[in-house]
Amino acid sequence: QKEVEQDPGPLSVPEGAIVSLNCTYSNSAFQYFMWYRQYSRKGPELLMYTYSSGNKEDGRFTAQVDKSSKYISLFIRDSQPSDSATYLCAMSPGYSGGGADGLTFGKGTHLIIQP
Amino acid sequence: EAQVTQNPRYLITVTGKKLTVTCSQNMNHEYMSWYRQDPGLGLRQIYYSMNVEVTDKGDVPEGYKVSRKEKRNFPLILESPSPNQTSLYFCASSLSRTGRHEQYFGPGTRLTVT
Repeated sequence: QKEVEQDPGPLSVPEGAIVSLNCTYSNSAFQYFMWYRQYSRKGPELLMYTYSSGNKEDGRFTAQVDKSSKYISLFIRDSQPSDSATYLCAMSPGYSGGGADGLTFGKGTHLIIQP
Repeated sequence: EAQVTQNPRYLITVTGKKLTVTCSQNMNHEYMSWYRQDPGLGLRQIYYSMNVEVTDKGDVPEGYKVSRKEKRNFPLILESPSPNQTSLYFCASSLSRTGRHEQYFGPGTRLTVT
């Protein structure tokens, strides 16, 4: 079982729709949960992060973390064509132990918002 | 403008010819890392650095070297590139290791090794 699972899509929705993007994970040590947006030919850009369980809202974006189910979501309200991009979830245990400690990324969901 | 820069953005080279990809950040960040992004495999960390002169291996370090002589720069060195190192490479930085959940990524370097 891979550490982080994310449906690659593509996910195509009409402009104005509510978009739901999801990831599941297996490592119970993860404490930080991030969502990155990556436009074509660009580097990933951090949208928002959540520590532990709960919800976080930033404008049209809402991130949810359910640690009991090992499931995280990103909701986009009033979706716009400019939201068309690949969305990557990422996770981190957050401790300062030794060894490899990069973020663990999902493979990304390609989102298309149709005008 | 706060940013991470990488050079070159595109590089085509031949097997065995040493190359260096530069990375620089202007945010006074302590933590820097290199990732490679491959279709079907996602982003994987190659090396990271917690501060000047402190580097360590990530998940896929074989065939790569790094150095951190200055805080702002973190070059990635391929001593003898091979075709399996054809990939999209990203440099990233964050304020500190404990703050690495807030990483800022560079624009990427697309490397092709023939």
